[in-house]
Amino acid sequence: DVKVTQSSRYLVKRTGEKVFLECVQDMDHENMFWYRQDPGLGLRLIYFSYDVKMKEKGDIPEGYSVSREKKERFSLILESASTNQTSMYLCASSFWVPPGANVLTFGAGSRLTVL
Amino acid sequence: GNSVTQMEGPVTLSEEAFLTINCTYTATGYPSLFWYVQYPGEGLQLLLKATKADDKGSNKGFEATYRKETTSFHLEKGSVQVSDSAVYFCALSDRDYKLSFGAGTTVTVRA
Repeated sequence: DVKVTQSSRYLVKRTGEKVFLECVQDMDHENMFWYRQDPGLGLRLIYFSYDVKMKEKGDIPEGYSVSREKKERFSLILESASTNQTSMYLCASSFWVPPGANVLTFGAGSRLTVL
Repeated sequence: GNSVTQMEGPVTLSEEAFLTINCTYTATGYPSLFWYVQYPGEGLQLLLKATKADDKGSNKGFEATYRKETTSFHLEKGSVQVSDSAVYFCALSDRDYKLSFGAGTTVTVRA
């Protein structure tokens, strides 16, 4: 079964801490994405990557950075966590297919609470 | 820019009832349209998709038809079960590899 694995299901951090959210996929997908999910707002794209060491800003990149050193791993970094970054974070991946045919496979999510 | 608007929930139904979740979109090109479902405690998974006008996507008894004239992609199921309780997201993919999602609709089916 194809899988996107997020290393932590639940995290509790303090304001100002540096936070790493890790995501690994075993499908040899080229594209990887980080979304955050908030009630009433749906999913909003933070960053995505279409190749190793490549990254593109999504709709809400402020306060976040990413790293993709290997094809299968895409990390989301909160340099200095703030309470408004308390959310559910979802990682996803997809093949490099013609635009519009892009089906994402999601991980189970990482629920981050910043105190 | 691209956007997706779906009906607000929560929606509560009895088993065997008919379910409709409305979804309309705004896009600059000719997008592909998707419905994703999120069961409790899980990530999102693809429910169905349609890539061009008048296409009908279907899966697990759910259907949605891509209506270009009304820019809509409404999700329907004729007889819901308790196991259909989930959050449903409408989404579109246009000229790039990103998906734009609606806010999600929480559906609860009671026995």
